[in-house]
Amino acid sequence: GAGVSQTPSNKVTEKGKYVELRCDPISGHTALYWYRQSLGQGPEFLIYFQGTGAADDSGLPNDRFFAVRPEGSVSTLKIQRTERGDSAVYLCASSSNAGDSYDGYTFGSGTRLTVV
Amino acid sequence: RKEVEQDPGPFNVPEGATVAFNCTYSNSASQSFFWYRQDCRKEPKLLMSVYSSGNEDGRFTAQLNRASQYISLLIRDSKLSDSATYLCVVQEYGNKLVFGAGTILRVKS
Repeated sequence: GAGVSQTPSNKVTEKGKYVELRCDPISGHTALYWYRQSLGQGPEFLIYFQGTGAADDSGLPNDRFFAVRPEGSVSTLKIQRTERGDSAVYLCASSSNAGDSYDGYTFGSGTRLTVV
Repeated sequence: RKEVEQDPGPFNVPEGATVAFNCTYSNSASQSFFWYRQDCRKEPKLLMSVYSSGNEDGRFTAQLNRASQYISLLIRDSKLSDSATYLCVVQEYGNKLVFGAGTILRVKS
């Protein structure tokens, strides 16, 4: 596709449930990033993939959060036992290669997760 | 202390005004620097990269002072369409981007 695609665009779930958020990066982009943005804050880093492997997962807040990218393209962010504090916009971004800083990232439009 | 700090604003300015945003960062090993723009309920989009020599893109001028760990963005001749949140962004090791909380700009007619 032309841009980074995230599905669903909105997700409402009950506390304690499991959710999966999907990201489809720009074709050919090897690097993929997940960020989380709470109201009034800037995006907060969660995890970075280079190809299939997680190059940096230092931003994942706890072991309820997990992400995969099995074939080096689509990625899924998985959240177990959701809590109300997990409510935020989850943003995915991709870039063409590691260290390509001059083009920055291209972000998807995000998944707005609401835990009730 | 936050890694990237910005004045949250809001900055309310009339059309045609010049407005400046400032940002400081704490990690002296930071490698690259950017300004992103984010419209309400939209994703962030790259506005411009920031270099020590200063760089300009039309009405926008960005400046980096590595010694002071300070980044600035100047917008001249503000337009209504410039109303948005401006995010100061620092690239650390690898490809990790660290975002400030953003500065809100409202341009009024």
